[in-house]
Amino acid sequence: RKEVEQDPGPFNVPEGATVAFNCTYSNSASQSFFWYRQDCRKEPKLLMSVYSSGNEDGRFTAQLNRASQYISLLIRDSKLSDSATYLCVVIDNYGQNFVFGPGTRLSVLP
Amino acid sequence: ETGVTQTPRHLVMGMTNKKSLKCEQHLGHNAMYWYKQSAKKPLELMFVYNFKEQTENNSVPSRFSPECPNSSHLFLHLHTLQPEDSALYLCASSQYKTGDYGYTFGSGTRLTVV
Repeated sequence: RKEVEQDPGPFNVPEGATVAFNCTYSNSASQSFFWYRQDCRKEPKLLMSVYSSGNEDGRFTAQLNRASQYISLLIRDSKLSDSATYLCVVIDNYGQNFVFGPGTRLSVLP
Repeated sequence: ETGVTQTPRHLVMGMTNKKSLKCEQHLGHNAMYWYKQSAKKPLELMFVYNFKEQTENNSVPSRFSPECPNSSHLFLHLHTLQPEDSALYLCASSQYKTGDYGYTFGSGTRLTVV
């Protein structure tokens, strides 16, 4: 089993839609979790951290379920500019091991 | 200058050439990384340096040789590469073991081996 798995995608959604991405991780000792965004031919950029209590940043909501080893990202009222690949990142061993998921590609269509 | 800077942005090299990729971070981080991203593939960790010491080498071929002279600079020396080594090479930095584990990536070097 891969350490971090994500929805295979791609997701093609109309503007204004709500879309959710899922990510599962295999190491129950994982400590920190992030969502990164990567635009085509660009470097990944931190989108948001994921906290146990869940956190929201504007149209973006991240949730963590430690018992199920599952992370989610919800995007509301999607914009054309949200089109990108979304990478789930799991960090364990006190920051020594960053593991990136394969990414889920989102295309928001006009 | 801010963030993580990589040079060159683009590089085309023959299989017999020797070249180096450079990465510099201005964030005061103590860990630096090299990643490879091939077309339509996930990020692959190549090397990790914590406090200038290499702590991870993910079975990378010896034609890739990293160098970390100080905590702000990281190099990737390339020699006798193969066409399948063509990819986006990304440098990242982070603050290791102090609670802020987010990565900051450089813009990458797009390498083409001909």
